Amino acid sequence: SQTIHQWPATLVQPVGSPLSLECTVEGTSNPNLYWYRQAAGRGLQLLFYSVGIGQISSEVPQNLSASRPQDRQFILSSKKLLLSDSGFYLCAMDSGQGAEQYFGPGTRLTVT
Amino acid sequence: ELKVEQNPLFLSMQEGKNYTIYCNYSTTSDRLYWYRQDPGKSLESLFVLLSNGAVKQEGRLMASLDTKARLSTLHITAAVHDLSATYFCAVDPWGAQKLVFGQGTRLTINP
Repeated sequence: SQTIHQWPATLVQPVGSPLSLECTVEGTSNPNLYWYRQAAGRGLQLLFYSVGIGQISSEVPQNLSASRPQDRQFILSSKKLLLSDSGFYLCAMDSGQGAEQYFGPGTRLTVT
Repeated sequence: ELKVEQNPLFLSMQEGKNYTIYCNYSTTSDRLYWYRQDPGKSLESLFVLLSNGAVKQEGRLMASLDTKARLSTLHITAAVHDLSATYFCAVDPWGAQKLVFGQGTRLTINP
């Protein structure tokens, strides 16, 4: 079965500092991978998705970037964090069209 | 712009009662997903509905999809406290697995 790992679980960073969040998956090959952000008390917003190594699509203009250096690794980065980057970041995966999307445990980011 | 709206956003009910959460969306889609989120936790997949008229049931929860009305419902039967959580519907309007989520319905079930 598929397993998604995310780290760190929680992070407190000052404004202007860099960011790197990592997501790794197990139990499947060539998954679609996604980064979502959930603001406090809100729904999820899709930030990036990837259908393969090096293939990244951005859904919203923002201060963040994503990379997929390996088939089962997805990284979310920023060079300089903003206060508005605070939120709960969830990595998700699926195996294709119509398939369930499974979510990782999430990283709670607080930018101070 | 695609909109996915859930109703109600907050629901407090007593154990043993029945209730329905509604999910309306503004564009054509035949793929709809329901998720559950416990406080501070990630999302757990409940149902995947992939065609008009699809109905799925798991325990006290039943989900249905009417693509012509652009409406999905999540029905709770004889609610129990363990079902307290936030429930999200999500639509995949372009068949590209890029889900658009509703705002969530925070459900509280009181003993």
